[in-house]
Amino acid sequence: GQQLNQSPQSMFIQEGEDVSMNCTSSSIFNTWLWYKQDPGEGPVLLIALYKAGELTSNGRLTAQFGITRKDSFLNISASIPSDVGIYFCAGRISGTYKYIFGTGTRLKVLA
Amino acid sequence: NAGVMQNPRHLVRRRGQEARLRCSPMKGHSHVYWYRQLPEEGLKFMVYLQKENIIDESGMPKERFSAEFPKEGPSILRIQQVVRGDSAAYFCASSRDGNEQFFGPGTRLTVL
Repeated sequence: GQQLNQSPQSMFIQEGEDVSMNCTSSSIFNTWLWYKQDPGEGPVLLIALYKAGELTSNGRLTAQFGITRKDSFLNISASIPSDVGIYFCAGRISGTYKYIFGTGTRLKVLA
Repeated sequence: NAGVMQNPRHLVRRRGQEARLRCSPMKGHSHVYWYRQLPEEGLKFMVYLQKENIIDESGMPKERFSAEFPKEGPSILRIQQVVRGDSAAYFCASSRDGNEQFFGPGTRLTVL
């Protein structure tokens, strides 16, 4: 079945640093979604991407839809303590409404 | 505009009982998805429904699990004769058009 490889699995960073994470697959996707999940809560949608090459920002967050349609990355600039959480990518399989989720990147910010 | 609502938030069942999880999508959303999440893992797709129709149930076990999204009322994920391995967080997401998905707070099922 389709798989989404998300990396890194976890990272510790200093407050103020920039963060980058990505998702890759052998499958082609026609939509990418990025979510943040806090403990005990549901995922919250951060950014949606619909076109290959698209670069979209939401405050300190920037995400890009890879040109091959098989990957996407998320950058967080100038991290703050409340950025702590688990970040998931989700790719919509081309020709369907089904999403595959990555395994998550656990972010911990050291003040 | 209320978000996706799920109830109950926590559900405890003994082995062999039935678990019934409810999801009310956001207003105007006709697409509903159910996912399962184990601790420290990602979300695993179970089933995708539109009003009165199951569109894709490829991620849902064929035995004991069923889902519905009636014309009126919430979507229901039903697990019959629960076993300990069914313990997990179950999330519902809704979408207006199958693109952006918005998640509910989840139901945490514990099977004793």
